[in-house]
Amino acid sequence: KQEVTQIPAALSVPEGENLVLNCSFTDSAIYNLQWFRQDPGKGLTSLLLIQSSQREQTSGRLNASLDKSSGRSTLYIAASQPGDSATYLCAVLAGGTSYGKLTFGQGTILTVHP
Amino acid sequence: AAGVIQSPRHLIKEKRETATLKCYPIPRHDTVYWYQQGPGQDPQFLISFYEKMQSDKGSIPDRFSAQQFSDYHSELNMSSLELGDSALYFCASSYDRGVILTFGAGSRLTVL
Repeated sequence: KQEVTQIPAALSVPEGENLVLNCSFTDSAIYNLQWFRQDPGKGLTSLLLIQSSQREQTSGRLNASLDKSSGRSTLYIAASQPGDSATYLCAVLAGGTSYGKLTFGQGTILTVHP
Repeated sequence: AAGVIQSPRHLIKEKRETATLKCYPIPRHDTVYWYQQGPGQDPQFLISFYEKMQSDKGSIPDRFSAQQFSDYHSELNMSSLELGDSALYFCASSYDRGVILTFGAGSRLTVL
């Protein structure tokens, strides 16, 4: 059974810092890995999606990497801003016939203070 | 661009009542997925439909049922509601069971 773990569970940093969120998964047979942002009580906003054949994806100040063989992904946020404060969720889509059956991590709660 | 539409956005029910959540996928998407996110929890897969047939089933209670209609919208029916059913319910859609899902904003159910 696929398990996804995110470290740290919470992170508080001053504005302007570069930071790294970690995600690990137990079964490397995945189709893709996705990073989401969730504001309190709100929906899921997809940030980056990395296909299993890719190593990284970039969008603005965000960069996500994937090392499928070791079951790890990192989300790098450059020059953090207070508006980045949210919960960041990592989710993997398993291979085989698990259509759309994403397995999520517990998330990292990020607080960026001015 | 049109997104996944969920209704209602908020719903308050009493214990033992019934609730119905609706999901309208992105136009041309024929696959719908339901997820449940309890307070402080990560989203858990409940059930999915492809071309109006159940495709996969996760940790969905027997008190819950769902279906996908001819226009590809889906409804999640929850009966004999319990306090523990209070959660954010997400719907996502894709085309042809594709691996890129688009999520709706969620429906928040509160059971009192």
